[in-house]
Amino acid sequence: QKEVEQNSGPLSVPEGAIASLNCTYSDRGSQSFFWYRQYSGKSPELIMSIYSNGDKEDGRFTAQLNKASQYVSLLIRDSQPSDSATYLCAGNYGGSQGNLIFGKGTKLSVKP
Amino acid sequence: DAGVIQSPRHEVTEMGQEVTLRCKPISGHNSLFWYRQTMMRGLELLIYFNNNVPIDDSGMPEDRFSAKMPNASFSTLKIQPSEPRDSAVYFCASRDGTAYGYTFGSGTRLTVV
Repeated sequence: QKEVEQNSGPLSVPEGAIASLNCTYSDRGSQSFFWYRQYSGKSPELIMSIYSNGDKEDGRFTAQLNKASQYVSLLIRDSQPSDSATYLCAGNYGGSQGNLIFGKGTKLSVKP
Repeated sequence: DAGVIQSPRHEVTEMGQEVTLRCKPISGHNSLFWYRQTMMRGLELLIYFNNNVPIDDSGMPEDRFSAKMPNASFSTLKIQPSEPRDSAVYFCASRDGTAYGYTFGSGTRLTVV
């Protein structure tokens, strides 16, 4: 059973703080992982992808992957109220012809 | 680029009626996915196509659901007959074969009363 697990939250952080979102996956067959942001009533939007162990940084966002521990995380530095959304973690299965399995998402609230 | 286009945005129908959801993927994307999202179950994959061919429909809940992709620029998801438990947001997404991440459409919010 391929599963991606996330803490549903809500996770509440003050403005300017670091938000840490975590995700675990059950199947070592997944080689690539994605973070999507979903605002209430909107569709998921891809914000980060990571394929190799270690860290990947893009602006205020850092994705971390540890394949040995089957663990993925997303750090958001200098959190802003506009970052308040649900963050979905997804693992890809089947390579370029496969599909994404999504976690249920973590709701993040950034308080001004 | 207009992105992935879904129609209708909202659909309210009575139990037992047929519902057809439509999707136009991004031009040049060769994979298309249909997902359903509910609070309880999150985003669930229903079916996906590569190069217009259905690859995995194991997520289709039952025979009441069917999906087609007659050409590279159009897909439909049909529910017949519809039931209240089908109420959800249905997303279509497409992907360029060289990338693993998807682009989602705006979704169709289906309410079956």
